[in-house]
Amino acid sequence: KNEVEQSPQNLTAQEGEFITINCSYSVGISALHWLQQHPGGGIVSLFMLSSGKKKHGRLIATINIQEKHSSLHITASHPRDSAVYICAVLTQGGSEKLVFGKGTKLTVNP
Amino acid sequence: DTEVTQTPKHLVMGMTNKKSLKCEQHMGHRAMYWYKQKAKKPPELMFVYSYEKLSINESVPSRFSPECPNSSLLNLHLHALQPEDSALYLCASSRTWTGWDGYTFGSGTRLTVV
Repeated sequence: KNEVEQSPQNLTAQEGEFITINCSYSVGISALHWLQQHPGGGIVSLFMLSSGKKKHGRLIATINIQEKHSSLHITASHPRDSAVYICAVLTQGGSEKLVFGKGTKLTVNP
Repeated sequence: DTEVTQTPKHLVMGMTNKKSLKCEQHMGHRAMYWYKQKAKKPPELMFVYSYEKLSINESVPSRFSPECPNSSLLNLHLHALQPEDSALYLCASSRTWTGWDGYTFGSGTRLTVV
């Protein structure tokens, strides 16, 4: 079982829809990252969370440390939001490293 | 400057060639990383440099040779690669090796070995 699990793997939405991507993890973490990767390959860091909730524009990220679960929400989705969204956790315990989920491919149709 | 710059963006090389990938940042970050990403897979950590010293080598074959000449620059020297080494190579940096302040990723070099 992967240490970081994301769902769904693929998601297709119509423009304007509210989108939720989920991430569950099974290891102790110092922080959790939500990353965005466009087809060209570059990765953009959207959020780094260690507790609670963060909001940036139409994007909202939440984390529940007790339940080892995080969600990324996109409000009023737009075709330019189409990308792969990756959850990555920074493990704790002496040799911190990023452990990545397999990503969620989001397609927003006009 | 808040970017990690990788060059070249695309590279095609033969199995007998020697080439280098370059990564540069001017954010004062003291940790720099190389990741390899195959299609539809998450990035895999290859190397970590902390304060210009190699701190993590994830059992990467010797045909990949990293170099950190100064705190702003990270190279990946490639020699005698195999077609299965074709992938997107991503560079990232963070303020320290713990990554507690977050990471900045480059746009990647898409490598094709023929």
